[in-house]
Amino acid sequence: DQQVKQNSPSLSVQEGRISILNCDYTNSMFDYFLWYKKYPAEGPTFLISISSIKDKNEDGRFTVFLNKSAKHLSLHIVPSQPGDSAVYFCAARAGGYQKVTFGTGTKLQVIP
Amino acid sequence: GAGVSQSPSNKVTEKGKDVELRCDPISGHTALYWYRQSLGQGLEFLIYFQGNSAPDKSGLPSDRFSAERTGGSVSTLTIQRTQQEDSAVYLCASSLEASGRGETQYFGPGTRLLVL
Repeated sequence: DQQVKQNSPSLSVQEGRISILNCDYTNSMFDYFLWYKKYPAEGPTFLISISSIKDKNEDGRFTVFLNKSAKHLSLHIVPSQPGDSAVYFCAARAGGYQKVTFGTGTKLQVIP
Repeated sequence: GAGVSQSPSNKVTEKGKDVELRCDPISGHTALYWYRQSLGQGLEFLIYFQGNSAPDKSGLPSDRFSAERTGGSVSTLTIQRTQQEDSAVYLCASSLEASGRGETQYFGPGTRLLVL
């Protein structure tokens, strides 16, 4: 039972354009969401997070949007750069509970 | 400042053998997590430690899997009588504490385990 779903295994975007990575979840107890970026042969690195009390969080070129009613979040990268090419994992946790549930990842390729 | 380190980076073993994977968290981080990523799958939570105790072992796939942490630092994940389905990348992460406020977890590079 995949509680965090990233339905697009891959995405290609032209440099300078917007990258939109999507994530859906099924567990209504999730109240904190994170995005991680992973390069080959490295562990995931934290990118940005959002609490369920917010619907948007922005950090430089990265913005995460949360739609609680749709149980959907998205990561926007503007403008996309070749160095953004990586696998992006969406993750979620329930309040006070340390288990983080990850999606299967979306491989982003930014084409120069 | 050193990040999370894991050893070995790669491990090939024969079915039925035991393996031990090691994780050195970031100094001062009290919380430590183990995940695994099988081919084509997302990161699967295995276990987490707060200090030396493991409040949540719910992710361990079977009783062949065990983990311990000593001195609030190094952790080892042991897989007994390995099976081919145990082949995966085993990732360790640490965070300052595990209070549920969404502390960032810092990941190590992982141990790639192949069971023949």
